[in-house]
Amino acid sequence: SQQGEEDPQALSIQEGENATMNCSYKTSINNLQWYRQNSGRGLVHLILIRSNEREKHSGRLRVTLDTSKKSSSLLITASRAADTASYFCATEVHNFNKFYFGSGTKLNVKP
Amino acid sequence: NAGVTQTPKFQVLKTGQSMTLQCAQDMNHNSMYWYRQDPGMGLRLIYYSASEGTTDKGEVPNGYNVSRLNKREFSLRLESAAPSQTSVYFCASDPVAGVSGELFFGEGSRLTVL
Repeated sequence: SQQGEEDPQALSIQEGENATMNCSYKTSINNLQWYRQNSGRGLVHLILIRSNEREKHSGRLRVTLDTSKKSSSLLITASRAADTASYFCATEVHNFNKFYFGSGTKLNVKP
Repeated sequence: NAGVTQTPKFQVLKTGQSMTLQCAQDMNHNSMYWYRQDPGMGLRLIYYSASEGTTDKGEVPNGYNVSRLNKREFSLRLESAAPSQTSVYFCASDPVAGVSGELFFGEGSRLTVL
């Protein structure tokens, strides 16, 4: 079974609005990462948050991690049409050196 | 600097045929991975290699074999392709397994099995 699950599966917003995506996972993790995938392309790393961190920022991205609830959220502020893509969370599980991906949130930012 | 390069980008096979997907990285990374991506399923780990000379199974290894030829190259072989293996395959690498880092992905290989 997959380690991470994103919610919602799809999100459509207007340019300038904020977009929030959530990720839930099942077991203890070393870290959680968010990736972006443009249509027909490979995944690109956005941000990593370690299990002992609660919040992290990178430009317009803000990630939170709640290990007690086994969940994370990705906030994209002031979205742009160019942010249209699928976003995936990935968890690195203790002692396994493997990365497990969720099924993704498809974000559509309308100009 | 090419990063992670996958070949071929597209392939159509008939059921029962065999083929090898090639992956090479030029970043001197120790760890390499093969994932498959199916609609609505996200990415699922097929096999990974923590370092040259080692390989291990992921979530969905059945029907696949891998070879870590050297530090740069990690190939994925389908011995007898089945329609259920129609998917997009991604190779990825990261600097050191077990040290939290990011994955670098190739552009994908789109495989159709008829």
